[in-house]
Amino acid sequence: GEDVEQSLFLSVREGDSSVINCTYTDSSSTYLYWYKQEPGAGLQLLTYIFSNMDMKQDQRLTVLLNKKDKHLSLRIADTQTGDSAIYFCAERSGGYQKVTFGTGTKLQVIP
Amino acid sequence: DADVTQTPRNRITKTGKRIMLECSQTKGHDRMYWYRQDPGLGLRLIYYSFDVKDINKGEISDGYSVSRQAQAKFSLSLESAIPNQTALYFCATSDLRQGQDNEQFFGPGTRLTVL
Repeated sequence: GEDVEQSLFLSVREGDSSVINCTYTDSSSTYLYWYKQEPGAGLQLLTYIFSNMDMKQDQRLTVLLNKKDKHLSLRIADTQTGDSAIYFCAERSGGYQKVTFGTGTKLQVIP
Repeated sequence: DADVTQTPRNRITKTGKRIMLECSQTKGHDRMYWYRQDPGLGLRLIYYSFDVKDINKGEISDGYSVSRQAQAKFSLSLESAIPNQTALYFCATSDLRQGQDNEQFFGPGTRLTVL
């Protein structure tokens, strides 16, 4: 079945850039997503990229997709303490459109 | 008001008890999902429903059952709770009518502890 892997933890200093990485196995993925989970809350969609794109930029967020290596990354520029959260990578394959979530990366921003 | 609500928000129960977690949505979405979140394991899909007459097992459905009482309501039951079902449970919805199903909308979660 599909598998989505992320490192569990990332720590950065406020003002630096954060890069959260994700690898997936399903070559038929159509959409890839980044969700953010703040403490005590559910997940919220941050951004997504369609599988025929290499890059998507949205304000401080840059998503890079390397389809050949099945690697997705999320770069957060000028990381702020409010960016501290768990970030989930997810992929949707075309079949019955089930979304598979990764293990989540906890981002800690040090003031 | 929240678009996706879950009740209860927290529940402590004993092994062997029957538990029902409720989810309601006001988004008018066709698709509803139940996930559990465990540290280091991310979100795993328990059951999903693409409309009122459609129920499908996810990757970890054993020990769980669901009921889609209406388009807006999707409940998750643990017939006989066991300690390894202690987790954070999330309900989510998505919109089939948009034709792209780009985003899932999550409830705030139910923290369940089975002693």
